[in-house]
Amino acid sequence: KNEVEQSPQNLTAQEGEFITINCSYSVGISALHWLQQHPGGGIVSLFMLSSGKKKHGRLIATINIQEKHSSLHITASHPRDSAVYICAVRRGGADGLTFGKGTHLIIQP
Amino acid sequence: EAGVAQSPRYKIIEKRQSVAFWCNPISGHATLYWYQQILGQGPKLLIQFQNNGVVDDSQLPKDRFSAERLKGVDSTLKIQPAKLEDSAVYLCASSLLRADTQYFGPGTRLTVL
Repeated sequence: KNEVEQSPQNLTAQEGEFITINCSYSVGISALHWLQQHPGGGIVSLFMLSSGKKKHGRLIATINIQEKHSSLHITASHPRDSAVYICAVRRGGADGLTFGKGTHLIIQP
Repeated sequence: EAGVAQSPRYKIIEKRQSVAFWCNPISGHATLYWYQQILGQGPKLLIQFQNNGVVDDSQLPKDRFSAERLKGVDSTLKIQPAKLEDSAVYLCASSLLRADTQYFGPGTRLTVL
């Protein structure tokens, strides 16, 4: 079983819909990251969380440390949001990230 | 501010050949990471440097992979000899401090035939 599990693996939605991507992890962590990867492009860090909630534009990330669960929300989704969204955790005592497999999101106009 | 630079962007080699990748991190970033991303999977950490010292290389296949970061700036990752299963994107990332936000380069896509 992977230490970081994401759901769904694939998600297709219509422009304007509210999007939720979930991440569960099974190890103790010091931080959780949400990253975005466009086809053929590099990876961009969206959020780094250790508790609570963070918001940047239309993106919101939450984390529940007790339940070992995090969610990434996109409000008023747009076709340019189409990308792979990756959850990654930094294990306690380590610096390198352990990644989930990613959620492939497609927003149709 | 320039981002993390990597070269080459693409490389095709035959199995048993050798290959090297180069990474130039963001200026001033002390921590440098190499990740391997196999198609359809999330990246996997291969090695982490703090300045020119190795912090974590527990997942680096040391029988064929090697990496160095001379002078604590640029880094090279080498595979010798390559196997079919090494086909992947090799990502370099850097951060200002340990456990800080990581900035990723565009990656090098390696195809081993």
